[in-house]
Amino acid sequence: DIQLTQSPSSLSASVGDRVTITCRASQPISRFLNWYQQHPGKAPKLLIYVTSNLQSGVPSRFSGSGSGTDFTLTISNLQPEDFATYYCQQTYNSPPTTFGQGTRLE
Amino acid sequence: VQLVQSGAEVRKPGASVKLSCKASEYTFSAYFVHWVRQAPGQGLEWMGWINPKSGATNYTQMFEGRVTLTTDTSINTAYMELSSLTFDDTAVYFCTRDRVWGGVVTSFDFDFWGQGSLVIVSS
Repeated sequence: DIQLTQSPSSLSASVGDRVTITCRASQPISRFLNWYQQHPGKAPKLLIYVTSNLQSGVPSRFSGSGSGTDFTLTISNLQPEDFATYYCQQTYNSPPTTFGQGTRLE
Repeated sequence: VQLVQSGAEVRKPGASVKLSCKASEYTFSAYFVHWVRQAPGQGLEWMGWINPKSGATNYTQMFEGRVTLTTDTSINTAYMELSSLTFDDTAVYFCTRDRVWGGVVTSFDFDFWGQGSLVIVSS
């Protein structure tokens, strides 16, 4: 199975900041990489699919980039509701699809 | 789009549990349904998918033989049954919808999620 490693595992930031989360795949996955946001006690929410496509209703301050093995999620102008845990997911070699271990933004 | 899951369950080791996921406000048969679980304080783990249109299923190897996904298209509901429970199966179980319309292929992009069902395995 393809392993995804996110960095950092946790990140401290403030409202208005710009932050970047990285996801590295154990082998090339083209651009088949998604990002989810999860608040405590809630279901994950799809933010970005296939590296850079913004899911409907997701604010434009979220953006994604990358290809091959290295991907990034960038959040510009952090808002209070953005403090959550973020997961990347590869869909290249699926099944099974696999997720990163998560990055907690606080 | 809504996916509403059944409530929390408590089971003893070795028992089985069956969870439900009722879909509304979309054409149930046109989208694959996946199940993903999350152990306490842990990450996300994909379990398998079902195509409501055909009934076809696919399970991750880790759960092969223990998990059964079914649907009842007459009531737009998906089910996940997990047998031979162990303490490690204590988790929140989510149903989720595939983003791609058509019921032919699955993208593994999960655009709508249920609220989750907590399963506790305790002796």
